[in-house]
Parts: sequence; structure tokens; C-alpha cells
Amino acid sequence: EPEVTQTPSHQVTQMGQEVILRCVPISNHLYFYWYRQILGQKVEFLVSFYNNEISEKSEIFDDQFSVERPDGSNFTLKIRSTKLEDSAMYFCASMVDRGSTDTQYFGPGTRLTVL
Amino acid sequence: AQSVTQLGSHVSVSEGALVLLRCNYSSSVPPYLFWYVQYPNQGLQLLLKYTSAATLVKGINGFEAEFKKSETSFHLTKPSAHMSDAAEYFCAVRSGTASKLTFGTGTRLQVTL
Repeated sequence: EPEVTQTPSHQVTQMGQEVILRCVPISNHLYFYWYRQILGQKVEFLVSFYNNEISEKSEIFDDQFSVERPDGSNFTLKIRSTKLEDSAMYFCASMVDRGSTDTQYFGPGTRLTVL
Repeated sequence: AQSVTQLGSHVSVSEGALVLLRCNYSSSVPPYLFWYVQYPNQGLQLLLKYTSAATLVKGINGFEAEFKKSETSFHLTKPSAHMSDAAEYFCAVRSGTASKLTFGTGTRLQVTL
């Protein structure tokens, strides 16, 4: 069964460093998402991406964040200058379309630790 | 705006007992509702979803949920808990033209012998 994959599973970085989290969505899906979950808190929407552009973003997704689909398979989240509060589990998701019955499929997540 | 409230961050049941995980939603337009499960060190897996068809929705692993508009609820149930059901369960809502999901805070289900 097709699945969303994410690399790395765990990333440790120093405050102020840039990180890139990588995702490979399901191949025929058109909508891509990033969510994050700070330890002990709810899963929060960051951004959605369709047709090579951001379709929606949350207040969390400020200028420090960017997303890209550099080729036909990868979907990346870049944090330019990490802060301690960026430490969280980051989930990628993809969806075939945005019809009412469509489901977002989630990857296993990348745990980002900022020291 | 859309939101979800999950009552009870931790629920403990005995194996074989009824599982009831509560979810209430708020949405200005008819919502689409989802339950996801997260096993340790894994991603979010869809259990079931309500998309304005039948109000009683059956999902995987014997779980089901009933959409009750009058109560703005979408509680998750399973008649008989199994040890393998121990996980974190998230209720989520989509509404209007937005495709993003808004999640509740999650309920950790513990199943004891």
C-alpha cells in the first residue's frame, strides 16, 4: 500500500541553524501539507501546497518557514533559523484531491530537537 | 472558524470493555469529521471519517462513530477493547472550502488486563 515517507526520523540542530525536513508524498496525490506537534500539545496545521504554490498557511508559518517541491517526488519544509520553540514532531501529509471524501495520509513524522 | 474539543486526555478501560472517546466540534458550516490513531513512534492513521453521508460511520479495527448534529458531537466507540487498541486517538475537523485539518488535543487510550 502506498505511504507517505519522511526523512530523517530525528533531527537535532543548534539554535539559529537551518534545517530541511523531507517528505515523499503518495505518488498520485495533488495536495501536500505540513503539520507539527509540540510535545504534549495538539497537532497544528502549518501549510498546504497545491499546484506548486502555497494554498493556505497558518499564523505559525512565518517568514522563517518555506516549502518547496523541488522535483516530482519530494516535498520539503525549510526552517531558516531555528528557535528552541521549533522543537516538535513535524508531520507531512498528502491528499489525492480536496473533495469531501478525500483523506489526508500522514507520514511517520520527523522529530526536530533544537538545542 | 473550526475547532475540536476532546474530553479526557487519558482514558483507561479493561480489555473487553466498551471504549468511548469523546469529540465535540465547532464549525460554521457543515463539517467533515475524522478520527485518527497514532501508535507509538508511528504517524497518524485514519480510523474513520464522516463526510455527510450516513451519520453512523464504521471504521477499521471495529471502531465506529456517530455524527450528532444536535449535540455537535462525533464520539468514537468500540464495543470490546483489545490490548492492541492502546494508542493516542485524535479527532479532527475540516469545514468549508478549507482542506486543512484542525485537530483536538488527543486522548490516550490505555487498555488493562
